[in-house]
Amino acid sequence: AQSVSQHNHHVILSEAASLELGCNYSYGGTVNLFWYVQYPGQHLQLLLKYFSGDPLVKGIKGFEAEFIKSKFSFNLRKPSVQWSDTAEYFCAVKRNGGSQGNLIFGKGTKLSVKP
Amino acid sequence: NAGVMQNPRHLVRRRGQEARLRCSPMKGHSHVYWYRQLPEEGLKFMVYLQKENIIDESGMPKERFSAEFPKEGPSILRIQQVVRGDSAAYFCASSPTSRSYNEQFFGPGTRLTVL
Repeated sequence: AQSVSQHNHHVILSEAASLELGCNYSYGGTVNLFWYVQYPGQHLQLLLKYFSGDPLVKGIKGFEAEFIKSKFSFNLRKPSVQWSDTAEYFCAVKRNGGSQGNLIFGKGTKLSVKP
Repeated sequence: NAGVMQNPRHLVRRRGQEARLRCSPMKGHSHVYWYRQLPEEGLKFMVYLQKENIIDESGMPKERFSAEFPKEGPSILRIQQVVRGDSAAYFCASSPTSRSYNEQFFGPGTRLTVL
């Protein structure tokens, strides 16, 4: 069965520190990849997505992610975090093609940024 | 353009009662997805619907759960004879098509508490 693994359950950083959140998936076919963010009390919002082309994807709020096909990974990065980045981050995978429309989510990583 | 609407935001039911969760997709979106989030877990896919059709219900429990998306009106997720284990956040998402690269837009969720 397909699965998505997020390596860190809870990450605590100080402001201005660099961030990297790991995401690995277990599907061998062509996939589309997403990172969603859930700020406290809010609904999920898309940070960025990859579906083809340049494996380095830039998203909103200074986030970026790199798709490494050989490693089945799609890690999220930000060079310098802010207190307002405190949120829960979810990696998700969707199979390309077929009739399946659903996203497969990782368990999420909680990021706490200390001011 | 209003986002995905869900109501109620919070729902409390006693064991054995029925829960009805509603989702109005974004304007122009005809694809609806329901996900469930248990505490400390990521979102798990339940069901994918288009207008008047269930496309994929592979994530839906076989008993007590049903979903519909009528020609007119919101999508409904119905849970009959609720049990404590049904307590969770239920999220609805919509997209304009089922193409893999399409982002799914999420609603704020309904938090169901079963007493």
